[in-house]
Amino acid sequence: AQSVSQHNHHVILSEAASLELGCNYSYGGTVNLFWYVQYPGQHLQLLLKYFSGDPLVKGIKGFEAEFIKSKFSFNLRKPSVQWSDTAEYFCAAGRRDSSYKLIFGSGTRLLVRP
Amino acid sequence: IAGITQAPTSQILAAGRRMTLRCTQDMRHNAMYWYRQDLGLGLRLIHYSNTAGTTGKGEVPDGYSVSRANTDDFPLTLASAVPSQTSVYFCASSQQGGSEQFFGPGTRLTVL
Repeated sequence: AQSVSQHNHHVILSEAASLELGCNYSYGGTVNLFWYVQYPGQHLQLLLKYFSGDPLVKGIKGFEAEFIKSKFSFNLRKPSVQWSDTAEYFCAAGRRDSSYKLIFGSGTRLLVRP
Repeated sequence: IAGITQAPTSQILAAGRRMTLRCTQDMRHNAMYWYRQDLGLGLRLIHYSNTAGTTGKGEVPDGYSVSRANTDDFPLTLASAVPSQTSVYFCASSQQGGSEQFFGPGTRLTVL
């Protein structure tokens, strides 16, 4: 079955700490991969996406993610987090030839302490 | 450009009542989606539409119906609301299936 797993449900960091959020997917065929962020009280916004090409993808606000095909992973990283990065982060996957569907992970809540 | 608008922003509803959540996009996207977001479960797809005139069932369609009479609008109807439908509902759209989805601001629905 198609699925996206995010293993860290809650992460607490201090400002300037490095961040890595795990995402693994189980999906037949070639996939498009996404990280979305949801700030408190807001809707989901796209952080970054991978369709093809360089497996290291850079997104907004200093975030990046690396697609490792052999590990079925698309982990999100940021070298130095800020208090304003406090949010919930969702990994999502969709088949490149899919008619419609993105599968979302259950989300990771990040709290950054000043 | 507004992107995606949803109405109402929030609603408290008695069980058994009928409710329609509205969603409108102005990006001329082909595909539209309805998700519900529940704590610890992430986003779950309720229904989707690849193009005007077609709809399909997602992961959790029971108790919900949709229609897609035109490109811009994709209303979600709860025929007879139940407390388990208390959730935050997000509408989304994309140019084509499998590509980046753009999300609306959400509707917080409470069924008592």
